[in-house]
Amino acid sequence: QVQLVQSGAEVKKPGASVKVSCKASGYTFTSYYMHWVRQAPGQGLEWMGIINPSGGSTSYAQKFQGRVTMTRDTSTSTVYMELSSLRSEDTAVYYCAIAPSSAAFDIWGQGTMVTVSS
Amino acid sequence: NFMLTQPHSVSESPGKTVTISCTGSSGSIASNYVQWYQQRPGSAPTTVIYEDNQRPSGVPDRFSGSIDSSSNSASLTISGLKTEDEADYYCQSYDSSNHGVFGGGTKLTVL
Repeated sequence: QVQLVQSGAEVKKPGASVKVSCKASGYTFTSYYMHWVRQAPGQGLEWMGIINPSGGSTSYAQKFQGRVTMTRDTSTSTVYMELSSLRSEDTAVYYCAIAPSSAAFDIWGQGTMVTVSS
Repeated sequence: NFMLTQPHSVSESPGKTVTISCTGSSGSIASNYVQWYQQRPGSAPTTVIYEDNQRPSGVPDRFSGSIDSSSNSASLTISGLKTEDEADYYCQSYDSSNHGVFGGGTKLTVL
């Protein structure tokens, strides 16, 4: 079955970077764009950006421009999201998601908790 | 910037019908499909409505979606409310750059 499995929880200090992975299985990796969405504790969902696993092209939400980098490794069917210059407000659960059959994000990873604390 | 605005919370009794609105800030909400997600604590969101009014298999027909161009809004209606429907609900669409946009979420309480 189609599955997205993310890397484990991270604790980082302010100013550091974090790299979260999302390994896809059960489908042709290059078939669907991968989105990243985050959710701060008790807050709503926030779209961060998108990567085309086929060519590697990316597009980021303006809020994260200059701080986020999304990459992919087609040999392992894995997408990465790196966020730099971390601050406490970046404490959140980070999700990868795909929209395989419609406009909806139907398949989500399990989420990765990133805590930014000194 | 295109934004979607939802009420912070709604509440209704079991068996009743509730409607959650999602209003677009600019342009026409009908220009891009609207999706609705249900999220329970500690879990990833799941789709309850996609492409304005389509229901995924497995979602009860108590859930329905609609678009009202006159008010530039989308709506999620849940009829025959059950306690299990208590959750957070998010609308989602895309802006002119094809970037995803989420509403702020609505906490549904079934009491």
